[in-house]
Amino acid sequence: EMQLVQSGAELKKPGESLKISCKTSGYSFNTYWVAWVRQMPGKGLEWMGILDPGNSEAKYSPSFQGQVTISADRSIATAYLQWRSLKASDTAIYYCARGFPVGGVREFDYWGQGTLVTVSS
Amino acid sequence: SYVLTQPPSVSVAPGKTARITCGGNNIGRKSVQWYQQRPGQAPVLVVYDDNDRPSGIPERFSGSNSGNTATLTIIRVEAGDEADFYCQVWDSSSDHVVFGGGTKLTVL
Repeated sequence: EMQLVQSGAELKKPGESLKISCKTSGYSFNTYWVAWVRQMPGKGLEWMGILDPGNSEAKYSPSFQGQVTISADRSIATAYLQWRSLKASDTAIYYCARGFPVGGVREFDYWGQGTLVTVSS
Repeated sequence: SYVLTQPPSVSVAPGKTARITCGGNNIGRKSVQWYQQRPGQAPVLVVYDDNDRPSGIPERFSGSNSGNTATLTIIRVEAGDEADFYCQVWDSSSDHVVFGGGTKLTVL
């Protein structure tokens, strides 16, 4: 069974660092890309970036370039989203999603359950 | 950067047909995907590659794409279809994913 299981909710203070995870199973991790998508409270979906696990190459939205780091550990089929210094405006639900690699990436056919990150002093 | 424009809201009576549009420059040349997101849940893919449905998605959901507008059509709308819907493309000129702003479908 195809699954993307994300790490649990986080409550952090401004300036703290954070790394959340997306553990995949049921398919060949190297074959499909993994994207991260932000959803701020009451708002729409925002693409943050995407990783090709086959070569560990990541592409970022200009809005998130330099603000986060996307990485993966192929040995445990897990993707990560990392912040060095959180801000209150990072409060959101973060989703990982499997990207079907056709002409870049086409559809995101499987999604994680989401990780709620709350940044508050 | 490439922009996708959706109406903020669409309302439809049960049993009727809902049409949600997604506008973009020459979007007809791109592959368009549609996602349904119910409150408190992760998005679910309902249409990919303009008009294909993943297994398990009812035939009531279909898509079309031409010129500058892609459309998600839901026939015989049910109360359970009420959700936010997002269109999405891959912009090959920038190697970026683009989502539309989302449309809230209300079943009257």
